[in-house]
Amino acid sequence: AQSVTQLDSHVSVSEGTPVLLRCNYSSSYSPSLFWYVQHPNKGLQLLLKYTSAATLVKGINGFEAEFKKSETSFHLTKPSAHMSDAAEYFCVVSENFGNEKLTFGTGTRLTIIP
Amino acid sequence: DAGVTQSPTHLIKTRGQQVTLRCSPKSGHDTVSWYQQALGQGPQFIFQYYEEEERQRGNFPDRFSGHQFPNYSSELNVNALLLGDSALYLCASSFGPQGQETQYFGPGTRLLVL
Repeated sequence: AQSVTQLDSHVSVSEGTPVLLRCNYSSSYSPSLFWYVQHPNKGLQLLLKYTSAATLVKGINGFEAEFKKSETSFHLTKPSAHMSDAAEYFCVVSENFGNEKLTFGTGTRLTIIP
Repeated sequence: DAGVTQSPTHLIKTRGQQVTLRCSPKSGHDTVSWYQQALGQGPQFIFQYYEEEERQRGNFPDRFSGHQFPNYSSELNVNALLLGDSALYLCASSFGPQGQETQYFGPGTRLLVL
């Protein structure tokens, strides 16, 4: 069975400092991994995805994530936080071969301190 | 190019009633998945439709049913509503059901059961 664990329910950083949101995954097969962002009262937006190509994945708005199979991790980073980054972030796993549903983590709320 | 659209945006029902939610996929997409997002939680997979068939199902009771039409739009039906069914219901569409395909989410329908 597939699952993801988001290690922090809430992260606070100052504007202009780096962001690190941590995610570990579990999967029986070679997974696809995603990060989605949800701003208040808005739908889910895809930030980036990993599908067994390059292990360092670049997404929108300056975010990137690195797939580390040995650590079963897919942490999300950004060099410099912006006020508009304040939102809920979800790490998501999907398996192939007949189990293509998305399994979401419980989310990390990112707060940006001015 | 219209993205994923859902209707209605908000809905209030009472216990025991039935509800139908609707979803139109992004242009060119043929696969629709439904998710339930309770307050403060990550979305939970309900089911996925492809070629007008339910392809996968999550851990939801038979009170939750769906349908996909020839134009790829979809409906989610919930019978005998319970208070615990109050949630944001998200529809996502993709081109094909494979796990590595990006799912694009609609804004959701917020259902309140009184």
